[in-house]
Amino acid sequence: DIVMTQSPDSLAVSLGERATVSCKSSQSVLYGSNNKNYLAWYQQKPGQPPKLLIYWASTRESGVPDRFSGSGSGTGFTLTISSLQAEDVAVYYCQQYYSTPGTFGQGTRVEIK
Amino acid sequence: QVQLVESGGGVVQPGRSLRLSCAASGLTFSDNGMHWVRQAPGKGLECVAVISHDGRDQYYADSVKGRFTISRDNSKNTLYLQVNSLRVEDTAVYYCANGPPLRFGGQGTLVTVSS
Repeated sequence: DIVMTQSPDSLAVSLGERATVSCKSSQSVLYGSNNKNYLAWYQQKPGQPPKLLIYWASTRESGVPDRFSGSGSGTGFTLTISSLQAEDVAVYYCQQYYSTPGTFGQGTRVEIK
Repeated sequence: QVQLVESGGGVVQPGRSLRLSCAASGLTFSDNGMHWVRQAPGKGLECVAVISHDGRDQYYADSVKGRFTISRDNSKNTLYLQVNSLRVEDTAVYYCANGPPLRFGGQGTLVTVSS
């Protein structure tokens, strides 16, 4: 299975500041024939199911605020929250769907400083 | 809007069985691959079973292989997970999702395995 590793495990950021979460895969999730990275980001707030934020590494799901962005390719990816809001406090997970079953990172908890 | 309503969880003793269900609406169910993803208390997400849109292909995490069976009834827009020989470590909230990428539509169903 592809192993997904996120860093850091948690971070505290001031309101309005940038938050950055990294995700690395043990092998490339870039599919050569379509040049797409099979990498998604999810947000999970307490007591709620995960919510899809970004797929294909950088495509925002409909309705997701544009302060959320994804970047990277191959084995290294980044989720950026450009200006942290109070409602962004959550755990964020990356997931590869290059191979089945998809595997998740361990999660990164984002809090307000 | 996609709705996925999980049910069938409960408190069971080790070694017993349960059948989880996921009723889907707001999507063309028969066009979608479906997943069961679980989350143990205070832990991360684990995809335990996947089924193709037509039910022909199934995949299982090593942790549940041989004990869990995923199935679907496209005529009823319903996904199932038969969980047998339950262990304490199977205690978790079980979510269904369509995809990938995964879109979750329900609050999950809690399975508690305890003697």
